[in-house]
Amino acid sequence: DIVLTQSPALAVSLGQRATISCRASQSVSISRYNLMHWYQQKPGQQPKLLIYRASNLASGIPARFSGSGSGTDFTLTINPVQADDIATYYCQQSRESPPTFGGGTKLELK
Amino acid sequence: EVQLVESGGGLVQPGRSLKLSCAASGFTFSSFAMAWVRQAPKKGLEWVATITSGGSNTYYPDSVKGRFTISRDNAKSTLYLQMDSLRSEDTATYYCAKDLTTRVSWYFDFWGPGTMVTVSS
Repeated sequence: DIVLTQSPALAVSLGQRATISCRASQSVSISRYNLMHWYQQKPGQQPKLLIYRASNLASGIPARFSGSGSGTDFTLTINPVQADDIATYYCQQSRESPPTFGGGTKLELK
Repeated sequence: EVQLVESGGGLVQPGRSLKLSCAASGFTFSSFAMAWVRQAPKKGLEWVATITSGGSNTYYPDSVKGRFTISRDNAKSTLYLQMDSLRSEDTATYYCAKDLTTRVSWYFDFWGPGTMVTVSS
């Protein structure tokens, strides 16, 4: 299985940039497709898709969220961070079955 | 508006069975692959099962293969998860999730609020 590694937590100030990283144990890219996706989960709620295929913004997601990366290294950026963005963020790969998730990065306020 | 609403969770003894349902609305259910994803308390997300749009193909991780069965009724826009031989490690919130595309893409653009399953004696 492809293992996705995320830092457990990240502290950020409101209005600043947050950069959340995800590293895969093997490449999750196929030709021009980078099969990494990002979800946001707030306490007591279901996950919400933010970014699909590394850099595509999901429907209804504000433009302050963006994604980048290829191969094994991917990044979710939130700029600027707003109070509503305090949540846990998960990366997920769909390069091969089983689809796997990272352990999550909890975004906290400084 | 896409809506997914799970039901059927509860407390069950180890070794027993439970069947979850997910009622879907707001999209053409029969056109999309669907999945179940679970989350143990205070833990991360784990994919549990996927079924193709027509129901002819199903996929499972090794952790549930042979014990869980995903199915769907497109006429009722409902997804199911039959869970047999339940273990304590199956305790989790179970989410129903819609695949982003009309084929199996293995990522999910809508999730239900989840239903809690507790396996304990």
